[in-house]
Amino acid sequence: GNSVTQMEGPVTLSEEAFLTINCTYTATGYPSLFWYVQYPGEGLQLLLKATKADDKGSNKGFEATYRKETTSFHLEKGSVQVSDSAVYFCALSDLTNAGKSTFGDGTTLTVKP
Amino acid sequence: EAGVVQSPRYKIIEKKQPVAFWCNPISGHNTLYWYRQNLGQGPELLIRYENEEAVDDSQLPKDRFSAERLKGVDSTLKIQPAELGDSAVYLCASSSGTGFSYEQYFGPGTRLTVT
Repeated sequence: GNSVTQMEGPVTLSEEAFLTINCTYTATGYPSLFWYVQYPGEGLQLLLKATKADDKGSNKGFEATYRKETTSFHLEKGSVQVSDSAVYFCALSDLTNAGKSTFGDGTTLTVKP
Repeated sequence: EAGVVQSPRYKIIEKKQPVAFWCNPISGHNTLYWYRQNLGQGPELLIRYENEEAVDDSQLPKDRFSAERLKGVDSTLKIQPAELGDSAVYLCASSSGTGFSYEQYFGPGTRLTVT
């Protein structure tokens, strides 16, 4: 079956530091890949997505590139802010399984001023 | 545009008691999902509706869980009887279609504690 593995947290960074959250996946089909963010007390929100190999998703300064050869979709941001503190989930959607989504376990990011 | 609405936000019950969660999706969204999120884990799909039809309920523990989406709009998820292991956050999401091109919009969730 499909699975998503994220780097374990929590991750604590100082403001303006560089962020990488690793994500690798296993899928039987050709999935689309997503990063969701969950701010305290709120629901998950789509942060960015990529639907085919070598696509780069980007939003709010965050980027992730769909790497089929390494089955990875690492999340990066060049300079984090305190407001980026949240839980980040990597996920895949498998079109061969009616678009069923599989989520990673989430990585908690805390950014300190 | 209003987001996905869920109620209650928090619920504490004793084991063996029944409990129900309610979800109102974004207007016009035909697809509705119920997920369970255990502490420290990602959401896991329980059931997916296309309009009023449950098209994927393979992960729903049918001995104690039930769901309905009458009229293809709002939905209710019920647990009867609840067990200690049911403590989790229950998330509802909706989308305007199915597949990777359709973004899922999540509600804030209902945090269930079974004592």
